Amino acid sequence: QSALTQPRSVSGSPGQSVTISCTGTSSDVGAYNYVSWYQQHPGKAPKLMIYDVSKRPSGVPDGFSGSKSGNRASLTISGLQAEDEADYYCCSYAGSYTLVFGGGTKLTVL
Amino acid sequence: QVQLVESGGGVVQPGRSLRLSCAASGFTFSNYGMHWVRQAPGKGLEWVAVIWYDGSNKYYADSVKGRFTISRDNSKNTLYLQMNSLRAEDTAVYHCARPRGGSGSSPPDYWGQGILVTVSS
Repeated sequence: QSALTQPRSVSGSPGQSVTISCTGTSSDVGAYNYVSWYQQHPGKAPKLMIYDVSKRPSGVPDGFSGSKSGNRASLTISGLQAEDEADYYCCSYAGSYTLVFGGGTKLTVL
Repeated sequence: QVQLVESGGGVVQPGRSLRLSCAASGFTFSNYGMHWVRQAPGKGLEWVAVIWYDGSNKYYADSVKGRFTISRDNSKNTLYLQMNSLRAEDTAVYHCARPRGGSGSSPPDYWGQGILVTVSS
C-alpha cells in the first residue's frame, strides 16, 4: 500500500495549462481504470474533479481533464484561473477492496 | 444534497480508544458502502477502511488493521470508526466519504468536512 507518486508542486500563469502526474504500479493505476482526482482548498473537504480516469462530474469545468498511460495517470488543467490554486490528489483502486492516494501536489497560480 | 458530518474527535492519550461517528443524509445510506480516509497535519490523504452497504464486508489499511473497526447502523444512517490502541501517528483529520456508485471498490465522490483526532500525552 505505498502511496502514488505526485510532484510536490506545480505552477502556471492565468490562462495557461498545467499537468499533474500520478505514478503508481501495475497493481493499482496500471491495473484498473478507477483513478480519481480531487481538489482540496485549505481547511476544506476534498472535491471530486475526475473519476474513472477521464470522466468529469457534473459541475466541474471542462478545463479539467484526465488521462492514463500504463502506470501513470495525469490531470490537466487548461485555462488556469486563480481559484484553481489548491492541493490536488490522485487516488486509485489498488485491488482487494483497498484504495491508495497520491502524496498531493500544490498548484500555484502565478 | 449529500451531507456527511463527522463527530467524536478530540484529544486522547496514546494507547486509549476513541469512536468516531459520521451522520449521513441526502441519499439512501443503506445502498452505499462507505470509506474512512484520514489526513495527518500538513500531509496527504490516507485511506483507512471501507465497509459494504450492508456491513457484510470490511477492509482496512495495514497501518490500522487489528486496531480500528469500521461499522454502521443503517437504521440511524450512521457510520462509525472504533479506534483502539491509538498511537501518535494516528493524529489526523478523519473524513468519512461515500464511494462513487456505491461500490466499496470505488474512490469517493462526496466527503465530510472531517474531524480532528489528536493522540498526545
